[in-house]
Amino acid sequence: AQSVTQPDIHITVSEGASLELRCNYSYGATPYLFWYVQSPGQGLQLLLKYFSGDTLVQGIKGFEAEFKRSQSSFNLRKPSVHWSDAAEYFCAVGTNTGGFKTIFGAGTRLFVKA
Amino acid sequence: GAVVSQHPSWVICKSGTSVKIECRSLDFQATTMFWYRQFPKQSLMLMATSNEGSKATYEQGVEKDKFLINHASLTLSTLTVTSAHPEDSSFYICSANDVAGLGKLFFGSGTQLSVL
Repeated sequence: AQSVTQPDIHITVSEGASLELRCNYSYGATPYLFWYVQSPGQGLQLLLKYFSGDTLVQGIKGFEAEFKRSQSSFNLRKPSVHWSDAAEYFCAVGTNTGGFKTIFGAGTRLFVKA
Repeated sequence: GAVVSQHPSWVICKSGTSVKIECRSLDFQATTMFWYRQFPKQSLMLMATSNEGSKATYEQGVEKDKFLINHASLTLSTLTVTSAHPEDSSFYICSANDVAGLGKLFFGSGTQLSVL
């Protein structure tokens, strides 16, 4: 069965420090991979996605993610975190088996300290 | 950009009543809409997939008679929580799949349901 694992429930980083959020997936075929961000009181916003091609994907707000097939991972990175990045981040897998749907990970809450 | 409008954003109701939540794609057509439920500090859990003009596909463990889904047009899907109970209190969020863009999902802002 398809699944998405985000091992870190929450992470705290200092403003200006680099960030990496981990995501591992389980899916038999080539997945569509997404990172979403959810700020309090707002809907989810798509940060970036991977469908095919270059395994290093650039997204909005300075985020990037690298798809590593051998590790079944799609980790999200940012070189320098801003206080406004504090939010909940969801990794998701889009599967197209019997119809397209998206499966979300449990999310990682990012705290940014001054 | 594409917008999905979800209403109401919050609702409080008495136990035993029914509540309807609407999900509209405002500037694109959505043959498929998804309904998720999210408990505090947990990830979204897919409840059902709503396909325009056909019956919804429910995930295992989701009661079809409890959560009625109607997707009557390419821009509107509704979720009705029937005979709501306190354990139904949760955050419900919909998303819509843009027909023209495979894998591009747009999310509503969610509905916080509190059943007293």
